[in-house]
This record gives sequence, structure tokens and C-alpha cells, in this order.
Amino acid sequence: EAQVTQNPRYLITVTGKKLTVTCSQNMNHEYMSWYRQDPGLGLRQIYYSMNVEVTDKGDVPEGYKVSRKEKRNFPLILESPSPNQTSLYFCASSFSHYNEQFFGPGTRLTVL
Amino acid sequence: EDQVTQSPEALRLQEGESSSLNCSYTVSGLRGLFWYRQDPGKGPEFLFTLYSAGEEKEKERLKATLTKKESFLHITAPKPEDSATYLCAVTTGANSKLTFGKGITLSVRP
Repeated sequence: EAQVTQNPRYLITVTGKKLTVTCSQNMNHEYMSWYRQDPGLGLRQIYYSMNVEVTDKGDVPEGYKVSRKEKRNFPLILESPSPNQTSLYFCASSFSHYNEQFFGPGTRLTVL
Repeated sequence: EDQVTQSPEALRLQEGESSSLNCSYTVSGLRGLFWYRQDPGKGPEFLFTLYSAGEEKEKERLKATLTKKESFLHITAPKPEDSATYLCAVTTGANSKLTFGKGITLSVRP
């Protein structure tokens, strides 16, 4: 089954404790992206990757890191999480940014 | 800076009452406009892509149209199962970013 998987689905952590949210796709997509979704602010792009080893900032990259060492995986790293990073996070993939994106199920992160 | 504005923020319809959702955009060099549907607690699901002004696409009770300044998602004779948040997004040729609007929450009463 074609899908985008994210782990964990739910995470409660404390300020400053490094964490990684994994994202994997099995559709051989070149374009992958991370978004955060907050009430009243909508879906905002954090980082995107056009291919292996090619990443670029979206609209809200501060406090986040990404890497794309393999085509199928695109982890999101929060090296020192803060409460303002409490949000619902989505990973997505597509053949290119001109094509439909397939979204993962979401990761609900709470930073205390 | 690319801007996408969706209106209204929320829309309540009676079953069978047709209406339209608006997505207006201010971008330099539109390369694609997307519509997604999102159910509570789930990831967005793709509905349509429109690439050029004048283009129209249909799927069941939904029809998406595109002009040089805005897109409409027309919903004909909606049913309660059409209740969801509808998201609009754009991408341009300037970079590979995607910019989403804040979404329109549609509620259809039986």
C-alpha cells in the first residue's frame, strides 16, 4: 500500500530534550516536506527536500533541522524543543512540488 | 511573499444547498494551485490540481475553477459527508515551496 508513515504519532516531552520525528514514504517520491498546523494559522511549511541531500527552508524553519540521506526518509529534528513548538506536524511526499502531495497521519507534539 | 487567502473561514450549509469556497492568491508566477480536504485529526487528502487560468476539474459533487487571481471550489447539492476543512495551496516557479491558506471549515447539516 502506498503510504507516508510518521513516528511517533503522539509525543509529550520537556523543554530542551532533543527529539526526532521520523517520516518514511514507499512511493519513490523525490519531493518531501514537513508542515506544522496550528489553530488559526493553518498549515505552514517548515522544510522541504527536492531530492537526496537537497533541502531548503520553508516559511517557518527556525528551531528545526532536517536531513535527507535516503530517498524514502526525511526526519525532522528538534534539537532543543520549546513550548512554542507544540503543534500538529505532518510529513508529505510527491513526485515534485507541482504534483499532488500525499500526507502522513500526523504527529501531535506537546512540549512542556 | 506568496499569499493565499481563503474565504469564508467557516460555512454552514443545509444538505442540498449548493455553494462555493474561495481561494484568492497573490504570487509571482503561479505554477500550480491545489485543493485538499482534511478531516479532523487526519492528514489532508488531495482533491484537485489546476495549472492555468480557465482550467476546470470535477469530481463527484465538487468542481474547481481557476482564474488569474483566484480559485473556486463549487459544491453542488452537498451531503453531510462533505463536512470537512478544505485547504488551498499554491506553488510557483520562483522556488519549490508550497504555501497553504488557512482553510475553510464546511459543515453540512442533514
